[in-house]
Amino acid sequence: LAKTTQPISMDSYEGQEVNITCSHNNIATNDYITWYQQFPSQGPRFIIQGYKTKVTNEVASLFIPADRKSSTLSLPRVSLSDTAVYYCLVGDLYTDKLIFGTGTRLQVFP
Amino acid sequence: EPEVTQTPSHQVTQMGQEVILRCVPISNHLYFYWYRQILGQKVEFLVSFYNNEISEKSEIFDDQFSVERPDGSNFTLKIRSTKLEDSAMYFCASRGNSQYLFGPGTRLTVT
Repeated sequence: LAKTTQPISMDSYEGQEVNITCSHNNIATNDYITWYQQFPSQGPRFIIQGYKTKVTNEVASLFIPADRKSSTLSLPRVSLSDTAVYYCLVGDLYTDKLIFGTGTRLQVFP
Repeated sequence: EPEVTQTPSHQVTQMGQEVILRCVPISNHLYFYWYRQILGQKVEFLVSFYNNEISEKSEIFDDQFSVERPDGSNFTLKIRSTKLEDSAMYFCASRGNSQYLFGPGTRLTVT
């Protein structure tokens, strides 16, 4: 399973775009990149998943360069409710076990 | 939007007691999981369950733990004799294809 490295914490202000980068140097050919969000005392929530280039949904965008050794989660115009921990996970699409790191704690200020 | 539900939301028990945590996964999902998160720590995999049997388990999931899908809708985690270090949030998850859906969790406090 590919190990991931992401910043421990980030601060932002409401209305700003936030980009969280995750490093996964030993990503395997079959691995996908998935981001989860977790609020305090709640279960992780799927945000976005991708394999290469760019993926966008109603919540976020995921940018993956050609070498796939890193990825960037982009949250457009964050609000206070985006304050949470964001996890980058790398693994097989149908993996039977998710390996969570420590994630990035995003604090959004008014 | 379908949701994974868990009961109770909070369980307090004394050391040595048995607890059963309950989950109702998404109805058409086939893969079921338990994870736990000790306060301030990472989310940790406990066990995966498919076709009425355990498909994978972690080192944490020792003989004190068991899982069951007793009636085709509920999915339970039993801890036979709780220890203080079992205090944590326990999350159930289910998967249909590639996307996991997690429940809201049960906070287990062992005193």
